[in-house]
Amino acid sequence: DQQVKQNSPSLSVQEGRISILNCDYTNSMFDYFLWYKKYPAEGPTFLISISSIKDKNEDGRFTVFLNKSAKHLSLHIVPSQPGDSAVYFCAASVGYGNQFYFGTGTSLTVIP
Amino acid sequence: DTGVSQNPRHKITKRGQNVTFRCDPISEHNRLYWYRQTLGQGPEFLTYFQNEAQLEKSRLLSDRFSAERPKGSFSTLEIQRTEQGDSAMYLCASSLGGSGRLSYEQYFGPGTRLTVT
Repeated sequence: DQQVKQNSPSLSVQEGRISILNCDYTNSMFDYFLWYKKYPAEGPTFLISISSIKDKNEDGRFTVFLNKSAKHLSLHIVPSQPGDSAVYFCAASVGYGNQFYFGTGTSLTVIP
Repeated sequence: DTGVSQNPRHKITKRGQNVTFRCDPISEHNRLYWYRQTLGQGPEFLTYFQNEAQLEKSRLLSDRFSAERPKGSFSTLEIQRTEQGDSAMYLCASSLGGSGRLSYEQYFGPGTRLTVT
């Protein structure tokens, strides 16, 4: 049973515009969420995280929003750059340090 | 480079053979995780260690799979009697552990791609 879902397998955005990647989860016990970015032939790279006590976290061009009532989180990238083209995974865990449950990923293409 | 390293990067083996992969975590990290990723899927948790103790194992980890972290540093993942369904990318990650949110962010290695023919 997929507890973390990314329903959009791919997304294309023009350079300079906003990219919005979405993630839904089913387990209400999840309290720590992360986004990872993955290039081909490399392992996932940590991007940004948020705990359930917050509803927003920003780091430069990246902002993660958490809506606990809807069990939904999103990653906003503004402005999008061609180097952002990669597969983005959201992940969730119950408590810190425990196993992560990953979504299936969204492939982002930023068009120059 | 002081990131997580994995060896080998690629392994091709025949069905029924045993394979072993190695993971070297970031040196000060005391938690080490193994994940498996197949095409079109996100990483799936297999097991994790706190120092040398194996604290959790997924039901995905059948009795043909065994993982060790004998001195709390590097870890090995062995698959016995490989099957074609074992073909996947095997990812290792490590985290600092301890207290606080930043201590639990997991840093991934490049993975070992296993192909069972």
